[in-house]
Amino acid sequence: KAGVTQTPRYLIKTRGQQVTLSCSPISGHRSVSWYQQTPGQGLQFLFEYFSETQRNKGNFPGRFSGRQFSNSRSEMNVSTLELGDSALYLCASSFDGADQPQHFGDGTRLSIL
Amino acid sequence: AQRVTQPEKLLSVFKGAPVELKCNYSYSGSPELFWYVQYSRQRLQLLLRHISRESIKGFTADLNKGETSFHLKKPFAQEEDSAMYYCALSELGDMRFGAGTRLTVKP
Repeated sequence: KAGVTQTPRYLIKTRGQQVTLSCSPISGHRSVSWYQQTPGQGLQFLFEYFSETQRNKGNFPGRFSGRQFSNSRSEMNVSTLELGDSALYLCASSFDGADQPQHFGDGTRLSIL
Repeated sequence: AQRVTQPEKLLSVFKGAPVELKCNYSYSGSPELFWYVQYSRQRLQLLLRHISRESIKGFTADLNKGETSFHLKKPFAQEEDSAMYYCALSELGDMRFGAGTRLTVKP
């Protein structure tokens, strides 16, 4: 079956703008988690969605938000972009939660100018 | 708070030598622990999880609750094992990753 699909693969924005990233999980997976990966901080957990509800949240400001649709697809939104938001954003899906094996997408590379 | 520590950023061994990638965690409960691996130009993928107690690609990892460690081991490293390895801890879906160890297996 198809793997986790993230779009777009690359994105360039300027400070102050907002951005929406998309993630399509593996068919049948109900949990979607988002991570930010940077050289300095490594992989950091943003949030997890399950059945259209945010179930867990990492330590990120409110500018980072997300949602999940009835078909389990998820979007992540970042408002008022800052230079420090430049990162690779990874999405992972699992059947029931992040405490189960997760399948990762290729990520969206976000660059803030 | 949960914390996962991988003390070695880089690890280099020769082909056929044993390899051990260290992972220590701080968490008071009973965590779910995982090792994820990222090969060159590939996605991050699950290598193994402690609850399965299985061996994948010759790798094993034992949870030592007394030492709060979950070290990854392989008796005879192969060149194709060269990759980035991440130890991860999950508590009810809140996932924490270590900083990762880049393993290089030299011929």
